[in-house]
Amino acid sequence: AQSVTQLDSQVPVFEEAPVELRCNYSSSVSVYLFWYVQYPNQGLQLLLKYLSGSTLVESINGFEAEFNKSQTSFHLRKPSVHISDTAEYFCAGANFGNEKLTFGTGTRLTIIP
Amino acid sequence: NAGVTQTPKFRILKIGQSMTLQCTQDMNHNYMYWYRQDPGMGLKLIYYSVGAGITDKGEVPNGYNVSRSTTEDFPLRLELAAPSQTSVYFCASSTPPQPQHFGDGTRLSIL
Repeated sequence: AQSVTQLDSQVPVFEEAPVELRCNYSSSVSVYLFWYVQYPNQGLQLLLKYLSGSTLVESINGFEAEFNKSQTSFHLRKPSVHISDTAEYFCAGANFGNEKLTFGTGTRLTIIP
Repeated sequence: NAGVTQTPKFRILKIGQSMTLQCTQDMNHNYMYWYRQDPGMGLKLIYYSVGAGITDKGEVPNGYNVSRSTTEDFPLRLELAAPSQTSVYFCASSTPPQPQHFGDGTRLSIL
């Protein structure tokens, strides 16, 4: 079964600094991966997805993630963070043909003014 | 377009009581899911359904039951509530491998 590991439970970053949130997955077979964001007292919202094709995927609010098959990683990056990016971020994945997602334990991103 | 709607948003139960968490989606998704979220633990799958009349256990099904009589609705039933079931519950729906859409959650405390 697929497993997803988020290496950092908390990441503090100064405003306008770059950030990378790390995510590694276990399976070597075809996978699809997502990043979700959760703001306080809300549900999860899709940030970006990788299904196939280009290994670099982007969101509308400046985040990007790169699917790296050799390193089994799908790290999330943003070149300059804002206060509004304060949230918890979840990486999730599954193998094609498996309808159940496996979620990482989440990374709490805190932006320091 | 409402997406995934969960009710209630908050609930306090006494030990041993039962209740049903409601979930409705209007996107005509065949797949629906129930998760629980505990601090630092991510989301754990309780039950899921691949279509009306078909349900299956997830990672943490004990103490819960589900039914799926229509495409739209996927209620989660707690029988004999226990303190360990204090959590935030999320319902989601999708057409895999497209992303799951989540409701806003039900915050449940059992005292």
